[in-house]
Amino acid sequence: GQNIDQPTEMTATEGAIVQINCTYQTSGFNGLFWYQQHAGEAPTFLSYNVLDGLEEKGRFSSFLSRSKGYSYLLLKELQMKDSASYLCAVPTGGKLIFGQGTELSVKP
Amino acid sequence: EAGVAQSPRYKIIEKRQSVAFWCNPISGHATLYWYQQILGQGPKLLIQFQNNGVVDDSQLPKDRFSAERLKGVDSTLKIQPAKLEDSAVYLCASSLASTGNEQFFGPGTRLTVL
Repeated sequence: GQNIDQPTEMTATEGAIVQINCTYQTSGFNGLFWYQQHAGEAPTFLSYNVLDGLEEKGRFSSFLSRSKGYSYLLLKELQMKDSASYLCAVPTGGKLIFGQGTELSVKP
Repeated sequence: EAGVAQSPRYKIIEKRQSVAFWCNPISGHATLYWYQQILGQGPKLLIQFQNNGVVDDSQLPKDRFSAERLKGVDSTLKIQPAKLEDSAVYLCASSLASTGNEQFFGPGTRLTVL
């Protein structure tokens, strides 16, 4: 079966750095997605990792370790608009299995 | 490029009533997904279409939910009759192919069942 775990919520300060972790257990592996979802809006794509290592995209970076079944999303220079839910998802059998999401609150 | 379109954006019904949602995916996207997202949870896949065929409907409560994509383009999701626990956001997404491809989500339909 598939299991994805993320912290339910996190709080960070504007300008700081925050790391959102995701652990997964899947039968087979076809990469890992991170999505951002603002309240009342649709999820939007942030990153897709299929190989081990860190991928950087502006203020956001995503890391993957396939041997450990672990990924994290790193957000730098936090801004108030980064307050949102961050969803980790793994494709399996052609469909995406989502974690419950991590609700990030950025405080001034 | 136009995104995934969904309607209505909001719907309030009483339990035991019927409701239908509509989705038009991004042009050229062969794969279409319907997700249910209950407040505080991640989206859960209900059904996946590849063109006009069903790929996966293992988590669709078939006694009350149905979906179709007759011409392989737009799709409708129906609930009949609705229950209180069906209150959720129903998200439609599409992608070029089914594996390893980014899914693009529509704005969703927020359903409230009273």
